[in-house]
Amino acid sequence: AQSVTQLGSHVSVSEGALVLLRCNYSSSVPPYLFWYVQYPNQGLQLLLKYTSAATLVKGINGFEAEFKKSETSFHLTKPSAHMSDAAEYFCAVSDRAGGYNKLIFGAGTRLAVHP
Amino acid sequence: EAQVTQNPRYLITVTGKKLTVTCSQNMNHEYMSWYRQDPGLGLRQIYYSMNVEVTDKGDVPEGYKVSRKEKRNFPLILESPSPNQTSLYFCASTPGQGITGELFFGEGSRLTVL
Repeated sequence: AQSVTQLGSHVSVSEGALVLLRCNYSSSVPPYLFWYVQYPNQGLQLLLKYTSAATLVKGINGFEAEFKKSETSFHLTKPSAHMSDAAEYFCAVSDRAGGYNKLIFGAGTRLAVHP
Repeated sequence: EAQVTQNPRYLITVTGKKLTVTCSQNMNHEYMSWYRQDPGLGLRQIYYSMNVEVTDKGDVPEGYKVSRKEKRNFPLILESPSPNQTSLYFCASTPGQGITGELFFGEGSRLTVL
């Protein structure tokens, strides 16, 4: 069965520091992987997606993620945090075992950025 | 503007009083889905629809109903709401009949059942 684990429900970084949000997935077949961001009182918007092309995926706002099959991981990084990056981030997986009909989300990681 | 529109955005109701949350998309997407978001649990899928008149259960369908009579609309119906359905609800859509690309989300409907 598909599942997604996000390590750390809260992450706090200084402005300008590296952002690293961790995501591990469980999937029996090559999956589609996504990172979404949710700003306060808003819906989710796509940051980036992995669809079996390049393993290093670049997204919006300077974020990127690397698909590592051997580690079943899809960690999200950004070299230098901005105050505007403060939000909740969700990792999600969709795969053929679920008929690509289900998007399974992790529990989310709330990122705080302090001056 | 391409968007998914949900109504109402906020609703307080009482146990047992039937309610409907509407969802409409103007992107001609085949696939639509409802999620609920609860703290510490992320988003969980309630129901999804791959096209008109085609719907199926997600992971937490109990207490909910849906219908897909038109391509653009996918209402969520709570026949007899209970306090454990207090949550933040999101409707989403995507082109095609499966989630291989971006899901477009509405802004959410916050429901409180007393």
